[in-house]
Amino acid sequence: GAVVSQHPSRVICKSGTSVKIECRSLDFQATTMFWYRQFPKQSLMLMATSNEGSKATYEQGVEKDKFLINHASLTLSTLTVTSAHPEDSSFYICSAQTGTFVNTEAFFGQGTRLTVV
Amino acid sequence: QKEVEQDPGPLSVPEGAIVSLNCTYSNSAFQYFMWYRQYSRKGPELLMYTYSSGNKEDGRFTAQVDKSSKYISLFIRDSQPSDSATYLCAMRVQGAQKLVFGQGTRLTINP
Repeated sequence: GAVVSQHPSRVICKSGTSVKIECRSLDFQATTMFWYRQFPKQSLMLMATSNEGSKATYEQGVEKDKFLINHASLTLSTLTVTSAHPEDSSFYICSAQTGTFVNTEAFFGQGTRLTVV
Repeated sequence: QKEVEQDPGPLSVPEGAIVSLNCTYSNSAFQYFMWYRQYSRKGPELLMYTYSSGNKEDGRFTAQVDKSSKYISLFIRDSQPSDSATYLCAMRVQGAQKLVFGQGTRLTINP
């Protein structure tokens, strides 16, 4: 399957600072990337969908000014958690899929564990 | 009611047993069905991908989809300790980008 690389795998930051998480598709062009959040022992919660070159579409209840998503190229999307607070501590996972048609598989990154202290 | 229901477990079985994991769903428009395996603190890994109803087999894994009952299953034969993980079902409506996930079932295979 295709490879999606997510970096960093874990990060600890101070409350009030911003953290950037990168998601790269290594061997394919990802027209669409997704960002998820996962709490312990819970399923993945979709935060936003980003299509290359356009603004991300956020799910209801997700603050777009707090979780900034940029998808500037077909191989890279970034999620920036701005003014992080301890309640933002979570496991963040990206996924990428090829093409614009949705009948394709989605491949996931390794996830980033964010701890805000 | 959640769109996709999955028993969170935990499920613990002896090595070599046949494991059955299941999800039910309420949206009859779902056409694409997936099973992901997620090891602790890692991203999900795609195991099986099926379209509409029927069976699909890949090695020790078999995925079944029964659209009339809105029920999907994943069977693992000759289970191994390395199969211990959380298994997530996911599904998608044709024409939509969004995947809807089940809660995930934590599976432990005991040597």
